This record gives sequence, C-alpha cells and structure tokens, in this order.
Amino acid sequence: DAKTTQPPSMDCAEGRAANLPCNHSTISGNEYVYWYRQIHSQGPQYIIHGLKNNETNEMASLIITEDRKSSTLILPHATLRDTAVYYCIAGYQKVTFGTGTKLQVIP
Amino acid sequence: EPEVTQTPSHQVTQMGQEVILRCVPISNHLYFYWYRQILGQKVEFLVSFYNNEISEKSEIFDDQFSVERPDGSNFTLKIRSTKLEDSAMYFCASSPVGASGRGEQFFGPGTRLTVL
Repeated sequence: DAKTTQPPSMDCAEGRAANLPCNHSTISGNEYVYWYRQIHSQGPQYIIHGLKNNETNEMASLIITEDRKSSTLILPHATLRDTAVYYCIAGYQKVTFGTGTKLQVIP
Repeated sequence: EPEVTQTPSHQVTQMGQEVILRCVPISNHLYFYWYRQILGQKVEFLVSFYNNEISEKSEIFDDQFSVERPDGSNFTLKIRSTKLEDSAMYFCASSPVGASGRGEQFFGPGTRLTVL
C-alpha cells in the first residue's frame, strides 16, 4: 500500500463544509483511495473510495487530483456527529490504517 | 441495512486462557478480516480469509492465533493462550468481491478483550 500523509487534526464549524486533505504521492496505478472514519472506539466506518474520477455518495464527496498524488474528502455540511478520526488509505488488496486526521466539529 | 455483528461485546479472561471471538459477516461477502486496536493506538491488521483459507496475515498473527469459518455464517478468531498484551478491541470486517479491490470493508462494532 502507498504511504499517505494527513494533518493530525482539524476543526470545522457545524454546518460548514469539512475539507480533509490527503497526500499519496507514491500511489500506484491500480491502487484506490479509500476513506474511513472511526467515531470514538467504534468500528471503522467505510465512507467512500475512488480510483481516478471524483466520487460522491450520501455521506461525502471525494476529489482526486489528476495526477492522483493527493485527494480531498468533503463533508458538505458537517454536524457534531461527524466528529471522528478520518483515515485516508491508498491500496488494493488490503487496508492499512495510519493515524488519520482527528476532525472536531464545533457548535 | 446488513451489518457485521460481533459477540461478545466485552470478554474478560485470565492470562493463559483460551478465548474465541465470534463474528457474523454480511451474508453475501466473501472476504473476511480481523483487526485489533490497542487502546490509544492504530487499528492493526491481523488476518484476511477467503475461500476457507488464510489469504494474508500480519506478524502479530502468530501461532497463538487461529481463524475458522465453522459454518456458512460465523467467522471466529481464537487466541490459544492469552497474554496481557492481547488486551485490545478486536474488529471483524467483511468485504464483497468487486473490481475496486478489497478496500471497501464493513466493520463490526468490536469485542473488547481484557486479559487479567
């Protein structure tokens, strides 16, 4: 799996968009970008993934740069329940969790 | 919506005892995984299982650990002789077969194992 780099923490005001960046400059051609989050000590929750194109689902949008060396997860209207650690993972055969970004949504 | 379930939610055991953690993956998934998370640390991969055999395992998954799919629904992790350092949250996950790799995994709520 390619190494990913994320900021350790971010704050976001409730109701605003949360934009979480991730660098994965060594990603290889067949590796996907996956995003998960972990709320407190619950099981990690799959959010979204993509290969080259931008993706959107009911939870979030994923923007992948054209060179695929970085991506941004967008939570369009953050709520207090979105406070969690967000993990960006680049891989194919398995998921390797790093330390992620601790997102704090502030009222 | 289908979910991965795990039992028990909390297991307390004495050092040296055997424990079995149970998981029911999502029914049409074919890849199964165990992870663990020691308090305050990263989620660590233990083992993946496909077609009734281990497809990959980490260095953590030594001879004290084993996995089994005894029937069509359950997926178990056995720790033969528990150590204090096995105390952790253990997560089971499953993923469907698909073109987008095996990174789309669905996790259970975890079993908190406490070894005394």
